[in-house]
Amino acid sequence: DGGITQSPKYLFRKEGQNVTLSCEQNLNHDAMYWYRQDPGQGLRLIYYSQIVNDFQKGDIAEGYSVSREKKESFPLTVTSAQKNPTAFYLCATHDELGSYGYTFGSGTRLTVV
Amino acid sequence: AQTVTQSQPEMSVQEAETVTLSCTYDTSESDYYLFWYKQPPSRQMILVIRQEAYKQQNATENRFSVNFQKAAKSFSLKISDSQLGDAAMYFCAYRIADSNYQLIWGAGTKLIIKP
Repeated sequence: DGGITQSPKYLFRKEGQNVTLSCEQNLNHDAMYWYRQDPGQGLRLIYYSQIVNDFQKGDIAEGYSVSREKKESFPLTVTSAQKNPTAFYLCATHDELGSYGYTFGSGTRLTVV
Repeated sequence: AQTVTQSQPEMSVQEAETVTLSCTYDTSESDYYLFWYKQPPSRQMILVIRQEAYKQQNATENRFSVNFQKAAKSFSLKISDSQLGDAAMYFCAYRIADSNYQLIWGAGTKLIIKP
C-alpha cells in the first residue's frame, strides 16, 4: 500500500536536546510538508520541499531544520533553539497537481520533559 | 493575502440530525481547489470532500455535501444524519490550482455529536 509514515508516534525531549522526526513516503510524490499543531488549533507550516535537495521555510521555521536528500524522505529536526517544541507534528505530501489535497502521516507527539 | 475563515470554533448536533459548518475564504484567483478535512481524536487528518472552483455543481460524498458559493467565497459543509463517529475537528482549506502553491488552512471547527 502506498502511503506516508511518521515515526516515532511519541517522542520525549530533554531541555537542550535536538531530536529528529522521521517522515517517509512511497507515493513517489515530489512535494512534502511539515506542520505543527498546538492543542485546539489549526496547522502551521514549518518547512516544505517541492523537490529533492531543495526546501523552503514556512511560517514558523525558527528552531527547526530539515533535509531532503531522497525523494521519499523528509526528516525534521527540532533544535534546542526551539523554545516551545511541545506539540503535534504532521507530515504531508501531495501529487504533482495537488488537486486531491494532501495525504497526511499519522503524526508525532513531541513532549519536552 | 489569501485567508480561510471558520467562524464557528465549536458546533454541536444531535445524533441523526443535520449540521452545517461554515467556511469563507479570500482570494483573487479564479482557479483553485477547496477541501474539508476531518481530524478525529486519533489526530489522523482525513480528507472528507473536495471542490474544484470551476465546477458549479456542489460536491457530495455520501452524507457529506458542500454548498459552494463562488461569488460569495463561501464553502460550507453539510453533514446529514450525524453519527457519533463524525465527532472531530473539521478544517477547511484552499489551494490555488498550481503545483507551487500550498494549502491555506482555517482554524478549525470542533463538532460535538450528542447521543
